[in-house]
Amino acid sequence: DSGVTQTPKHLITATGQRVTLRCSPRSGDLSVYWYQQSLDQGLQFLIQYYNGEERAKGNILERFSAQQFPDLHSELNLSSLELGDSALYFCASSVGLAGEQYFGPGTRLTVT
Amino acid sequence: DQQVKQNSPSLSVQEGRISILNCDYTNSMFDYFLWYKKYPAEGPTFLISISSIKDKNEDGRFTVFLNKSAKHLSLHIVPSQPGDSAVYFCAASARSGAGSYQLTFGKGTKLSVIP
Repeated sequence: DSGVTQTPKHLITATGQRVTLRCSPRSGDLSVYWYQQSLDQGLQFLIQYYNGEERAKGNILERFSAQQFPDLHSELNLSSLELGDSALYFCASSVGLAGEQYFGPGTRLTVT
Repeated sequence: DQQVKQNSPSLSVQEGRISILNCDYTNSMFDYFLWYKKYPAEGPTFLISISSIKDKNEDGRFTVFLNKSAKHLSLHIVPSQPGDSAVYFCAASARSGAGSYQLTFGKGTKLSVIP
């Protein structure tokens, strides 16, 4: 158990809908990262927050947004969902801005 | 353009023998490298890392070697155990804006250790 929790574990929704994925980092970790893993793809970095502020952006679509709250949990919002958004979404956390990242169990999103 | 490549999608090794997983990178700005292990239905688990100022780092049965001139790193597992069967991801880190470090992952190598 990495100490990073993600909810929900599975999510099935229809095209055009909006969903919110939630992540709680390890105790003491200030950075939260979001990744997408599609079929046969590696982990694609989406976005990083550090102590409530956005710090780095990867290949995140404009339909996607995230935030980190004062209690350091983070939410990833996915809107106008398309079939191609079906993937595993992982959250990770680290103590600071760099170093080892510890991953949650992921949320499997299926868009039908 | 893949900046981190794991050219072997899969690898099978006999229990007790050495497993060698390889990773190549193209971005010379990468200065920190990590290996993660992933079991099905779980998130990746951090295994071992190496800074670009070193060429070797060892932790128990796991050793990571870095060859900067060749832009190549490898993970050695000795001896291999059936419980090591998993997908192994290589990741590399470079400083991005605002002082943070972004990880770039390879697509993974599935290791099967045969009893």
